Amino acid sequence: KQEVTQIPAALSVPEGENLVLNCSFTDSAIYNLQWFRQDPGKGLTSLLLIQSSQREQTSGRLNASLDKSSGRSTLYIAASQPGDSATYLCAVLGSSNTGKLIFGQGTTLQVKP
Amino acid sequence: EAGVTQFPSHSVIEKGQTVTLRCDPISGHDNLYWYRRVMGKEIKFLLHFVKESKQDESGMPNNRFLAERTGGTYSTLKVQPAELEDSGVYFCASSQDRVTRAFFGQGTRLTVV
Repeated sequence: KQEVTQIPAALSVPEGENLVLNCSFTDSAIYNLQWFRQDPGKGLTSLLLIQSSQREQTSGRLNASLDKSSGRSTLYIAASQPGDSATYLCAVLGSSNTGKLIFGQGTTLQVKP
Repeated sequence: EAGVTQFPSHSVIEKGQTVTLRCDPISGHDNLYWYRRVMGKEIKFLLHFVKESKQDESGMPNNRFLAERTGGTYSTLKVQPAELEDSGVYFCASSQDRVTRAFFGQGTRLTVV
């Protein structure tokens, strides 16, 4: 049974810092992995999607890496800004292609001005 | 293009009452998913429709939950009768196929008192 864990559960940093959010999964048989952002009271916004054959994806100040064999992914945020404050969720899609996403509990990030 | 829309955004009902949540997916998306996040837990899969057919309902908690997608367009999720432990945020998502990026709605926050 696939389990996804995110560490840390919460993180507070001063503006401008580079930071790393971690995601680990127990079953390496995945099709892809997504990082989502959720603002309070809002839905989930997909930030980056990494296919199982890829090692990383980049979008602006965000970079996500995937090491499928070790069951790990990291989301790197460069030069953090107060607007980056949100909950970041990691989710994996199993290789059985059922469409079902397995989510971690998320990391709540606060970037202080 | 309109995104995934969920109604209502909030619902407060008494234990034993019935509530129906609605999801309008992105037009043309055959795949529709329901997920739920209860307090302090990760987002969990409930079920998956392909057009009007239930593809996977392994995440439905019990028979008090009934999901429908008549005509393969919008979907409803009915909880009858509601219990206290049903409180949480219910998310709907849609995608063109099972492995492409899923787009999430803003969620319905259900509170059972």
